[in-house]
Amino acid sequence: AQKVTQAQTEISVVEKEDVTLDCVYETRDTTYYLFWYKQPPSGELVFLIRRNSFDEQNEISGRYSWNFQKSTSSFNFTITASQVVDSAVYFCALSKSGSARQLTFGSGTQLTVLP
Amino acid sequence: NAGVMQNPRHLVRRRGQEARLRCSPMKGHSHVYWYRQLPEEGLKFMVYLQKENIIDESGMPKERFSAEFPKEGPSILRIQQVVRGDSAAYFCASSPSADLGYGYTFGSGTRLTVV
Repeated sequence: AQKVTQAQTEISVVEKEDVTLDCVYETRDTTYYLFWYKQPPSGELVFLIRRNSFDEQNEISGRYSWNFQKSTSSFNFTITASQVVDSAVYFCALSKSGSARQLTFGSGTQLTVLP
Repeated sequence: NAGVMQNPRHLVRRRGQEARLRCSPMKGHSHVYWYRQLPEEGLKFMVYLQKENIIDESGMPKERFSAEFPKEGPSILRIQQVVRGDSAAYFCASSPSADLGYGYTFGSGTRLTVV
């Protein structure tokens, strides 16, 4: 069985602070995908990143960066110099690769960035 | 290229009525997935369909819920005799392949409220 744990239910930071959202996963599969999605107050799901389990390189996209550590089964997400528009619920998700069809989501982290 | 289109965006039903939620996948995508998000929770997989076939319905409640993806037209998630506990956001996603490495795009969701 697969499981995704986002232990931080809510985080509040002041604008321009850096913030890291934790994601720990469990899977017996040797190949899998990891995802991060953002859900702003408007409710839609915004895709942020997909990472294959074979690729352990960290990734940076603007103010966003992701740290994938297979040894600790973690895929953490850092926002640098946070902004009020970053306020949202962030979900980490996991799936098998290949013929997999469904994502297993964590319960989400509510990030509030205060001005 | 339009994204995944879901309608209606908001749906209000009285207890005992039927709810029909529609999902038009992205152009070229023949795989559709439905997820449910209960208040304050992450998304939970419900069903995976490929044109005219249900591939995996392991997340669907046994009664009152059904899904279809006809050869022509959108995918439909149907909830009969709705109850208050069905109030949730229902998201649809589509992909061009069963391999998630080729992309997995969510629609904006349908918010169902049962009164």
